[in-house]
Amino acid sequence: ETGVTQSPTHLIKTRGQQVTLRCSSQSGHNTVSWYQQALGQGPQFIFQYYREEENGRGNFPPRFSGLQFPNYSSELNVNALELDDSALYLCASSSDRGPEQYFGPGTRLTVT
Amino acid sequence: EDQVTQSPEALRLQEGESSSLNCSYTVSGLRGLFWYRQDPGKGPEFLFTLYSAGEEKEKERLKATLTKKESFLHITAPKPEDSATYLCAVQDHAGGTSYGKLTFGQGTILTVHP
Repeated sequence: ETGVTQSPTHLIKTRGQQVTLRCSSQSGHNTVSWYQQALGQGPQFIFQYYREEENGRGNFPPRFSGLQFPNYSSELNVNALELDDSALYLCASSSDRGPEQYFGPGTRLTVT
Repeated sequence: EDQVTQSPEALRLQEGESSSLNCSYTVSGLRGLFWYRQDPGKGPEFLFTLYSAGEEKEKERLKATLTKKESFLHITAPKPEDSATYLCAVQDHAGGTSYGKLTFGQGTILTVHP
């Protein structure tokens, strides 16, 4: 069984640019959640996709957007990058069988 | 709004010295409480799910317990490889039939010295 994978591993962008992060969910999972983790903090919920529809959103501005594909993989897009967007971005997948969310290794985004 | 507070922020133990980590929570209808382990620069690794007060789960040297207001992660005779950040999270019943967001605490950084 393949776990959750994310790409790229690391990314350096300049303020004002746009970025796309990708996530492949675990086999058999139909739900993907995205989290932002600043250094020394717990993960903060950005949004969740369930069967290709947004299923809840945290306190993040509209420049954070996403989508989920028919194979349940997902993308997180961030426009007009700000310095405070520098963080570890985590993707987690889950299924209808239970509430547990399984995380990928994350993408480290640095905005300069 | 769901809230999770973990204590202490950091804990240093000698190998074999047992201790406990605390997770206090407020939630409007608990669906589940989760413990994760996170190594530096990596994603959180799932450890346990607890659903109701009085429930206990064990895995190797770790034991998680749950009351109506808090959860404890007990570490018995820890080893240096248990060093990591331990995260607690809650999920409420919002979101209908699908399972919704996790609300995390800030974590406890555990260091176990040989």
